[in-house]
Amino acid sequence: EPEVTQTPSHQVTQMGQEVILRCVPISNHLYFYWYRQILGQKVEFLVSFYNNEISEKSEIFDDQFSVERPDGSNFTLKIRSTKLEDSAMYFCASSEMGQVNTEAFFGQGTRLTVV
Amino acid sequence: AQKITQTQPGMFVQEKEAVTLDCTYDTSDQSYGLFWYKQPSSGEMIFLIYQGSYDEQNATEGRYSLNFQKARKSANLVISASQLGDSAMYFCAMRENSGYSTLTFGKGTMLLVSP
Repeated sequence: EPEVTQTPSHQVTQMGQEVILRCVPISNHLYFYWYRQILGQKVEFLVSFYNNEISEKSEIFDDQFSVERPDGSNFTLKIRSTKLEDSAMYFCASSEMGQVNTEAFFGQGTRLTVV
Repeated sequence: AQKITQTQPGMFVQEKEAVTLDCTYDTSDQSYGLFWYKQPSSGEMIFLIYQGSYDEQNATEGRYSLNFQKARKSANLVISASQLGDSAMYFCAMRENSGYSTLTFGKGTMLLVSP
């Protein structure tokens, strides 16, 4: 069964360092998303990506964040200068279409710890 | 205002019994989708069930069913014949027709199934 894969599963980084979280969405999907979940809290939307550009982003997704689809398969989230409060589980998701009845498939998540 | 409200931070149920996890939502869209995800302690997000706003019948997927009451804007998840492996965090989420249909999550309900 096709699945969304994320690497790495865990990342520890020092405050101020840049991190890149990687995702391989399901191959025929067109809509890609990043969400984050701070420990013990709800899942929050960061950004959606369609047709090689950002289609929507939340207030959390400030200038420190960027997304890229560098080739036909990868979808990356970059945090330029990490802060302690960026520590969270980051989920990549993809869906075939953008309609309301389309399921979003989530990856296993990357647990980011900023020290 | 919260778009998705899950009022039960935690629920306990005995094995083999049924349990209902509550979810109410707020939207002005006529077309929207409601989703339930399960998050076990390992952290991944597992899709369980979907209900469309125009669906006349309540959704069912195996032991999961959705008690959809559109006028009350509620979409409660019913798990029948609970199993120990059902112990997890459960999130209700909504996709609206506006924007690019990003998922908005509730705060979740922790379900513990005891033998």
